[in-house]
Amino acid sequence: DAKTTQPTSMDCAEGRAANLPCNHSTISGNEYVYWYRQIHSQGPQYIIHGLKNNETNEMASLIITEDRKSSTLILPHATLRDTAVYYCIVRVEGYGGSQGNLIFGKGTKLSVKP
Amino acid sequence: GAGVSQSPRYKVAKRGQDVALRCDPISGHVSLFWYQQALGQGPEFLTYFQNEAQLDKSGLPSDRFFAERPEGSVSTLKIQRTQQEDSAVYLCASSLSREQYFGPGTRLTVT
Repeated sequence: DAKTTQPTSMDCAEGRAANLPCNHSTISGNEYVYWYRQIHSQGPQYIIHGLKNNETNEMASLIITEDRKSSTLILPHATLRDTAVYYCIVRVEGYGGSQGNLIFGKGTKLSVKP
Repeated sequence: GAGVSQSPRYKVAKRGQDVALRCDPISGHVSLFWYQQALGQGPEFLTYFQNEAQLDKSGLPSDRFFAERPEGSVSTLKIQRTQQEDSAVYLCASSLSREQYFGPGTRLTVT
């Protein structure tokens, strides 16, 4: 799977949008971008994924550049409970959905401050 | 509904002891994964099951690590003759398609 690069840490004020960048310059055409987060002492939690179109769900929005070499996860109104490590992962999706393991990097530690 | 559960949540073992870690996946999930997470690092893949078949065990660090899922549901990760470097959080995840759902993990400390 392609390697991703994320900032080690970021701060965000409570109530403001948190924009978490990810570089994946060697992404292949059949690789999806996934985001997971891990709150302290919990297992990772799926947030969102996309191929080339922007995606939005109840948790976040995912903006993927046209060349697909980078993406941004947006938490529109960050709360203290969004403090976590956020992982950007690229992976191939097999027929019928992804079956393979996730390759995590070190992620971005997001601290939401009051 | 119930998520992925793991037991025990915490385990302290003396070096050289054998340990068994249990994972109860979400009912009906075909795929099951085990990951190891060292302190300050992201999770690292250990092994993968599709139903009862272990399709990938390339991440198991040594032959002291063994995993099974005999009936395609509950899985057990066994570590024989534990070493200090085995100290980590062991995460289990289950999946039906794209998303993997993780359990809370078992924190293993080898003294």
